[in-house]
Amino acid sequence: AQTVTQSQPEMSVQEAETVTLSCTYDTSESDYYLFWYKQPPSRQMILVIRQEAYKQQNATENRFSVNFQKAAKSFSLKISDSQLGDAAMYFCAYRTDFGNEKLTFGTGTRLTIIP
Amino acid sequence: GAVVSQHPSRVICKSGTSVKIECRSLDFQATTMFWYRQFPKQSLMLMATSNEGSKATYEQGVEKDKFLINHASLTLSTLTVTSAHPEDSSFYICSARDARVGQPQHFGDGTRLSIL
Repeated sequence: AQTVTQSQPEMSVQEAETVTLSCTYDTSESDYYLFWYKQPPSRQMILVIRQEAYKQQNATENRFSVNFQKAAKSFSLKISDSQLGDAAMYFCAYRTDFGNEKLTFGTGTRLTIIP
Repeated sequence: GAVVSQHPSRVICKSGTSVKIECRSLDFQATTMFWYRQFPKQSLMLMATSNEGSKATYEQGVEKDKFLINHASLTLSTLTVTSAHPEDSSFYICSARDARVGQPQHFGDGTRLSIL
């Protein structure tokens, strides 16, 4: 079974600075998807960024980018120019490329933005 | 963008009551929907996978007679918590998989269930 580990329960960053959230996973599959979701206090799950395992190029979405290291099974999220609205729980998630496509989530990292 | 509507957003009821939660995909067809449970300050735990027109697949440890799932159409799945008790109080979230290839899952806004 796949597992997803987020080793940082809490992180904080000064507004406008850059922060990196860590995620590692364990799988025996070669094709899969990785995601970062944001859950603000409203508890809505918001997709931040996704990465296909077969793509070597790291995904980027505006201020959000990932460092995908397939051999190391690492998938970190970098948030540049942090904004107050970035404060939330961030969940890393894994999804197989076949089957019922269920998501396996990490335990989450609570990100606080310091004004 | 794709929208998933989950209703109700908040339920408070007495112990022994059965509660139905709806999950609708508003602008896409969802052959598969997922039901998650989230305890305070914890991650999302998958409860079951709901497939249109067939029986749901439950994760280990989830009582299928307690949590009834029906996926009668390509846009609607329901979760019924039968004879709810205080330990069933939690945040329940659904997600829907767009049937089109390559599309991500879309989440509903969740239902906070409180059993008195």
